[in-house]
Amino acid sequence: TQLLEQSPQFLSIQEGENLTVYCNSSSVFSSLQWYRQEPGEGPVLLVTVVTGGEVKKLKRLTFQFGDARKDSSLHITAAQPGDTGLYLCAGASNTGNQFYFGTGTSLTVIP
Amino acid sequence: DSGVTQTPKHLITATGQRVTLRCSPRSGDLSVYWYQQSLDQGLQFLIQYYNGEERAKGNILERFSAQQFPDLHSELNLSSLELGDSALYFCASSVLLGGADGYTFGSGTRLTVV
Repeated sequence: TQLLEQSPQFLSIQEGENLTVYCNSSSVFSSLQWYRQEPGEGPVLLVTVVTGGEVKKLKRLTFQFGDARKDSSLHITAAQPGDTGLYLCAGASNTGNQFYFGTGTSLTVIP
Repeated sequence: DSGVTQTPKHLITATGQRVTLRCSPRSGDLSVYWYQQSLDQGLQFLIQYYNGEERAKGNILERFSAQQFPDLHSELNLSSLELGDSALYFCASSVLLGGADGYTFGSGTRLTVV
């Protein structure tokens, strides 16, 4: 099992603030995905990063894959209440057969 | 609607019983994955099927089993249930074997063992 640690575990911020969520591992991943999960629903894919050092932007969300492909970050600018949810990173296994999910970051954005 | 259908949505059963969870993948997806999500363990990979064949196993207990049928739907069987089996069970599907195209998750089955 390839462990993915996410930090912080919980985050509560005011609307309009910026935040960064981290996903770290000692393992190298061929690709990494970020998902957001809302209560009562399954996770929804936000982005896939493949190349070390890659940066992808999705509106107010910026995703970065570490140069060594062992870590990733998610930065949200001007957070909104609609960003509230559980953010999960997932790294591709060595065999490439499945993704291992991180421990998750629960984000609450207060209006 | 993600296109992945899981039934039932909620299930309450007693310890020692056996239940079957069902998953219909998104149309065109050949890979099906089962995950267990609990508050203290996060999202744990259980098992993966691709076009009817088992391709990978994660932390799946011997009391649990799964299969994927010719029409690609999948069932997860949980037997001799214990209180600790209470959790959300998610099914996900993808087109590609490894899920590099991204997983599409169903809404999950919430299992409560009493």
